[in-house]
Amino acid sequence: QVQLQESGPGLVKPSETLSLTCTVSGGSTNSYYWSWIRQPPGKGLEWIGYIYYSGSTNYNPSLKSRVTISLDTSKSQFSLKLTSVTAADTAVYYCARAHNTGWFVDSWGQGTLVTVSS
Amino acid sequence: DIQMTQSPSTLSASVGDRVTITCRASQTISAWLAWYQQKAGKAPKLLIYEASTLESAVPTRFSGSGSGTEFTLTISSLQPDDFATYYCQQYVNYPWTFGHGTKVEIK
Repeated sequence: QVQLQESGPGLVKPSETLSLTCTVSGGSTNSYYWSWIRQPPGKGLEWIGYIYYSGSTNYNPSLKSRVTISLDTSKSQFSLKLTSVTAADTAVYYCARAHNTGWFVDSWGQGTLVTVSS
Repeated sequence: DIQMTQSPSTLSASVGDRVTITCRASQTISAWLAWYQQKAGKAPKLLIYEASTLESAVPTRFSGSGSGTEFTLTISSLQPDDFATYYCQQYVNYPWTFGHGTKVEIK
């Protein structure tokens, strides 16, 4: 069974870049849509974007100018970069796998809290 | 963006109750809808996809129905493990969007 694990700094200063990596184990990164989803404290879920195993990406228009998602199949990892962060970007960030035949999320990482504060 | 509206936002129920949560989409999404369960401090867990298909290993007391713009998640007999927050998600269009959640509390 595939497992996903987020890693990266838990504290980022305003205006800096948030960088997270997701390591995939128990399965290949070939196929599927590798995604990032976030959840501000006490709030709902927001899809950030995905990278398909082919390398194509799609981002939420609300974040598109600041987001880059990349994939390293040799390491079974995919990454998120979010630039020019503000306090509004404070959230639990989940990496996730969206299914090939329909873009529902069938596997989630445990989530990592990233706080934006000076 | 397609807006997903869940109701109620909070639901108080007792063990053994039949519980129904509604999710409405701002435009038709056919059956491209998923339901997730999230417990405090944990990642969401997929329950149902394509509006009514039960994910593997999910108890059969969970069921989903609907198509177009109106969908329901039903728990036929609420169990202690079911007290959680439930989210719907549409995946017909980008950006994929979620409802704001329905918290099922102990009455």
